[in-house]
Amino acid sequence: GAGVSQSPRYKVAKRGQDVALRCDPISGHVSLFWYQQALGQGPEFLTYFQNEAQLDKSGLPSDRFFAERPEGSVSTLKIQRTQQEDSAVYLCASSLFRGGTDTQYFGPGTRLTVL
Amino acid sequence: QKEVEQNSGPLSVPEGAIASLNCTYSDRVSQSFFWYRQYSGKSPELIMSIYSNGDKEDGRFTAQLNKASQYVSLLIRDSQPSDSATYLCAVIKPNTGNQFYFGTGTSLTVIP
Repeated sequence: GAGVSQSPRYKVAKRGQDVALRCDPISGHVSLFWYQQALGQGPEFLTYFQNEAQLDKSGLPSDRFFAERPEGSVSTLKIQRTQQEDSAVYLCASSLFRGGTDTQYFGPGTRLTVL
Repeated sequence: QKEVEQNSGPLSVPEGAIASLNCTYSDRVSQSFFWYRQYSGKSPELIMSIYSNGDKEDGRFTAQLNKASQYVSLLIRDSQPSDSATYLCAVIKPNTGNQFYFGTGTSLTVIP
């Protein structure tokens, strides 16, 4: 596709439910990132993939958060037993190469509301 | 200390004026710097990247980097109402997996 796509765009979950958020990066992009953006804040890093390898998951806030990218393309961020503090916009970004100077292109985000 | 600091604003400028947005970063070894614009309810979109000391111009936008002062800024000339958005400064540090460290963003309003 032309850009990074994410689904669903909006998700409402009851506290304790599991959710799965999908990211489809720009075709051919090697690197994929997940960020969490709370209201009025800048995005905060969650995790990073290079192809199918998860190279950094230091930003995942708890073991309830899990991400995968099994074939090096589409990625899923899963949150188990959702809590109200998980309410945020979850942004996915991809970049073409592995280099540290690479521009990241963001998807539209998934707005998660936990009731 | 946060990795990237921005004045959250709001910053208001009249149409046609120059808007000046500032960002400081804490880690001297940071190597790549980006400015993103984010409209309310939308995802960040890239405005400019800068990697070397000095100025970089692209249309009405100029990014300025001063590594000695650990400071990066964005100037918007001839500001338009459509420039009203939140501007995010992002930094990459080496050996951190290329993740972006973002500031909290500066809210800019251009008054017609």
